[in-house]
Amino acid sequence: AQSVTQLDSQVPVFEEAPVELRCNYSSSVSVYLFWYVQYPNQGLQLLLKYLSGSTLVESINGFEAEFNKSQTSFHLRKPSVHISDTAEYFCAVSEQGRGYQKVTFGTGTKLQVIP
Amino acid sequence: GAGVSQSPSNKVTEKGKDVELRCDPISGHTALYWYRQSLGQGLEFLIYFQGNSAPDKSGLPSDRFSAERTGGSVSTLTIQRTQQEDSAVYLCASSLVGDTQYFGPGTRLTVL
Repeated sequence: AQSVTQLDSQVPVFEEAPVELRCNYSSSVSVYLFWYVQYPNQGLQLLLKYLSGSTLVESINGFEAEFNKSQTSFHLRKPSVHISDTAEYFCAVSEQGRGYQKVTFGTGTKLQVIP
Repeated sequence: GAGVSQSPSNKVTEKGKDVELRCDPISGHTALYWYRQSLGQGLEFLIYFQGNSAPDKSGLPSDRFSAERTGGSVSTLTIQRTQQEDSAVYLCASSLVGDTQYFGPGTRLTVL
């Protein structure tokens, strides 16, 4: 079984400031890692994912996350946030080799960008 | 369709009534998942379909919950004798096998 911990339930940050949303996971097997975003009144959207290869993955809107196996972390970062980044962000994992993705989600971090 | 659709978007029901929630996956997606998003619990996996069969039902919280999928497409999640703790947003996702899941907008269920 796996679990995901997002310690920060809310993160306020000023516009154009950098942000880091923390995610740690626990699993007895190798995992795939994901960040999903839920904008106000919208459904979940995949932001970025780590499957294999380079441990640094990027999204099209400037977010990046780095898989750190030794620290079992997959923190999400952005060097300069915009108002439009205000949303709830969910870190998630699924076990490799299962043949399908039974995704375990963290409890989410609400990012509030302050003008 | 262009994405996963779910109906109804909102459902208010009385305790003890049965409800049916519908999911229309992306055309061609053979894998279909149901999740529940409730306050304080986050997102929980309920069930996984591959085609019309459900090899993983491990997340269904009780025998009041059931789901079926027909024609390898539409899926229905049924909750019998609803309880107040069933109030949540029920999310459906679909994918190609082993690939990224695409989520629907969800059905918000309120049990009075």
